[in-house]
Amino acid sequence: KNEVEQSPQNLTAQEGEFITINCSYSVGISALHWLQQHPGGGIVSLFMLSSGKKKHGRLIATINIQEKHSSLHITASHPRDSAVYICAVGSMGGSEKLVFGKGTKLTVNP
Amino acid sequence: NAGVTQTPKFQVLKTGQSMTLQCAQDMNHEYMSWYRQDPGMGLRLIHYSVGAGITDQGEVPNGYNVSRSTTEDFPLRLLSAAPSQTSVYFCASSSPGDRGYEQYFGPGTRLTVT
Repeated sequence: KNEVEQSPQNLTAQEGEFITINCSYSVGISALHWLQQHPGGGIVSLFMLSSGKKKHGRLIATINIQEKHSSLHITASHPRDSAVYICAVGSMGGSEKLVFGKGTKLTVNP
Repeated sequence: NAGVTQTPKFQVLKTGQSMTLQCAQDMNHEYMSWYRQDPGMGLRLIHYSVGAGITDQGEVPNGYNVSRSTTEDFPLRLLSAAPSQTSVYFCASSSPGDRGYEQYFGPGTRLTVT
């Protein structure tokens, strides 16, 4: 079974700071997902990637397959970015039985 | 599109009662799954389905049943509720595409068993 570790568990930043959240996994994967869960509880998909780098607005996700590591970056952070960010991985062979990290709680203060 | 819908949003049960959490999606997705989310733990897979008539167990299936009679619906049944089943339950759907299996989550059901 894949183990997914996220760091840090909690992160507090000031508005405008550059944020990095890390995710490591233990075995080969088909894809890695970054999800966002707002205080209201809803979960939305931010990125799904299997190689390289993706960018959407102020969010950037990278993955290094050889090192089994991914990072989520937020540039020019804003209080509305405050949420729990969750990393999840799908196993090799195309299965989408995801294994999730425990999440990183981000608080951005004005 | 409504996306993935779940009902109810909140539910309180007594130990031993049974109930069904409803999940529906209108995106014609093949793959649907149920997760539970507990404090300090990641989301954990309860049951999943790769298409109508096909279901399988996930990581924590005990005490839950599912069926998939249509592509749209994937209800989760609690047979005899226990306090350990107090949790937030999420239903999700996905389908293979150019970008792989992007996940779409429902809003969640907060269940308390007393």
